[in-house]
Amino acid sequence: DTGVSQNPRHKITKRGQNVTFRCDPISEHNRLYWYRQTLGQGPEFLTYFQNEAQLEKSRLLSDRFSAERPKGSFSTLEIQRTEQGDSAMYLCAHGRSGNTIYFGEGSWLTVV
Amino acid sequence: AQKVTQAQTEISVVEKEDVTLDCVYETRDTTYYLFWYKQPPSGELVFLIRRNSFDEQNEISGRYSWNFQKSTSSFNFTITASQVVDSAVYFCALSGGYNAGNMLTFGGGTRLMVKP
Repeated sequence: DTGVSQNPRHKITKRGQNVTFRCDPISEHNRLYWYRQTLGQGPEFLTYFQNEAQLEKSRLLSDRFSAERPKGSFSTLEIQRTEQGDSAMYLCAHGRSGNTIYFGEGSWLTVV
Repeated sequence: AQKVTQAQTEISVVEKEDVTLDCVYETRDTTYYLFWYKQPPSGELVFLIRRNSFDEQNEISGRYSWNFQKSTSSFNFTITASQVVDSAVYFCALSGGYNAGNMLTFGGGTRLMVKP
């Protein structure tokens, strides 16, 4: 048990629709991360929060992507006007400063 | 910029063989961390080990061992007496020091297939 719960685990959506993924870390580690993994590739960093502050965003995070972490606990990742290229697994992870990062089971997105 | 290279995209071995997964990294940070994660078919990334740049001692955990060599910027992973359950994709990753947010840069992964 990595202490990270992600929902939904699988989402199929039509191109142009909005989707939202939620991440619930069981323990309140102060850092929370979002990564994206496409088939056959390693995960790529998207963004991270320290408590409720979003401290870093990757160039991969286009204007259609937005992430929040209200109250420094759970986090949401929203993708607006989805495109087929957004099809991937979206991974949430948590960790403390200087410590190991633990990943959730991921949320698979398929855009048709 | 940080970079992690796993040159072996796929390795196939027969059960009980030893296998080594290679990882080469690039970083300008003087303090950094190296990781190995396992991703079984279920998809979850499972943490295996973290090593900081100041500690070049090799580590052994059961059938797993890791060889960190700063001089060659490598952090290789060996599985001794492989088992079918070891079949998975293995990722090597690198993060910067304390103030770098611990953001991980992953290699492309090595798919290990262990045949009975």
